[in-house]
Amino acid sequence: AQSVSQHNHHVILSEAASLELGCNYSYGGTVNLFWYVQYPGQHLQLLLKYFSGDPLVKGIKGFEAEFIKSKFSFNLRKPSVQWSDTAEYFCAVHGSSNTGKLIFGQGTTLQVKP
Amino acid sequence: SQTIHQWPATLVQPVGSPLSLECTVEGTSNPNLYWYRQAAGRGLQLLFYSVGIGQISSEVPQNLSASRPQDRQFILSSKKLLLSDSGFYLCAWSPGGLSEAFFGQGTRLTVV
Repeated sequence: AQSVSQHNHHVILSEAASLELGCNYSYGGTVNLFWYVQYPGQHLQLLLKYFSGDPLVKGIKGFEAEFIKSKFSFNLRKPSVQWSDTAEYFCAVHGSSNTGKLIFGQGTTLQVKP
Repeated sequence: SQTIHQWPATLVQPVGSPLSLECTVEGTSNPNLYWYRQAAGRGLQLLFYSVGIGQISSEVPQNLSASRPQDRQFILSSKKLLLSDSGFYLCAWSPGGLSEAFFGQGTRLTVV
């Protein structure tokens, strides 16, 4: 069955610290992978996506993620976080044989202290 | 451009009452449509998705049902609400295939 797991549920960092949020998925076929962000009081928005090609993808606001097929992982990174990055982050997977079925992880709440 | 409308934004309903949440998409045709429930610590739980009119896939057995009477309309319903149905419900659409989804503003449902 298709599933997504995010290891960190709550992360607290100081400004300028580096960020890495883990995401692992379970699916045997071709996948498209996504990271979404939800800022306080706002709706979910796409941060970045991987469809094919270069496994290192860059998104908005300095975020990037690396797809490692052998590890079934798609970790999100940012070299230096800002207070404005405080939000909830969701990893999601779309499996090729389940067209239409977009599954999300449990989410990670990131709190950045000024 | 495409837009998604979801209403109402908040809803307070007594236990045992019916429910109808509506979602419509503009500016696209034959979208994939989704209903999710968001709960703290549990992420976004996929409830239903639809790849076409009348085609509904249910992910979680529960007290809810979904219908797609028109191409760009997706309705979440219940005949009798339970306290456990309280939560934040999100509608989303995607262009199809394995594309990303775009979300509505959500409905905060409180069952009392």
